[in-house]
Amino acid sequence: DAGITQSPRHKVTETGTPVTLRCHQTENHRYMYWYRQDPGHGLRLIHYSYGVKDTDKGEVSDGYSVSRSKTEDFLLTLESATSSQTSVYFCAISEFSDSHEQFFGPGTRLTVL
Amino acid sequence: GNSVTQMEGPVTLSEEAFLTINCTYTATGYPSLFWYVQYPGEGLQLLLKATKADDKGSNKGFEATYRKETTSFHLEKGSVQVSDSAVYFCALSDPSGTYKYIFGTGTRLKVLA
Repeated sequence: DAGITQSPRHKVTETGTPVTLRCHQTENHRYMYWYRQDPGHGLRLIHYSYGVKDTDKGEVSDGYSVSRSKTEDFLLTLESATSSQTSVYFCAISEFSDSHEQFFGPGTRLTVL
Repeated sequence: GNSVTQMEGPVTLSEEAFLTINCTYTATGYPSLFWYVQYPGEGLQLLLKATKADDKGSNKGFEATYRKETTSFHLEKGSVQVSDSAVYFCALSDPSGTYKYIFGTGTRLKVLA
């Protein structure tokens, strides 16, 4: 299995509080992604990174920011959490290859009350 | 834009039944196509992939063929087992080179003994 960890694995927080989720990889892959998974929507891309300090928005980026200061870490921040951000968040990594295969972390379940 | 359409679930089958989960896509260019599987409480695992037209991906008895003429990548298995119960996601990689994925909404499969 690809070496991807996410922390925390579960979090309950209140509306209006800041939240940071961490994705850590040991594969030295260039690309990293944050998705959210919601019933009826599958997985939707929030932000992605194509290198240290290089990030871009996905399709559902409003209310989220990211940072990547090291190859191995990709942080997702909710500046002021809202109940609509209650979801399961997955990190993924990939590297240059013919197939563009992504490897996924175990997920973080976030509940915003 | 790019999109993936996947058949609605849930799909309930008896053990040893034949499985088909339909997936069609729209894309500019030539994406790679994937099927991922998610077991309860876990992240996504790559099940199979195909990188060009007429390629057949296969793994663990599952198969899917990249059909450019019908823009489809249907998942099939000849004889399902209870252990195949999971959610299955069809995905394509953005052919523009950003390695971003577009996911279908997922199909839940339940196999009864």
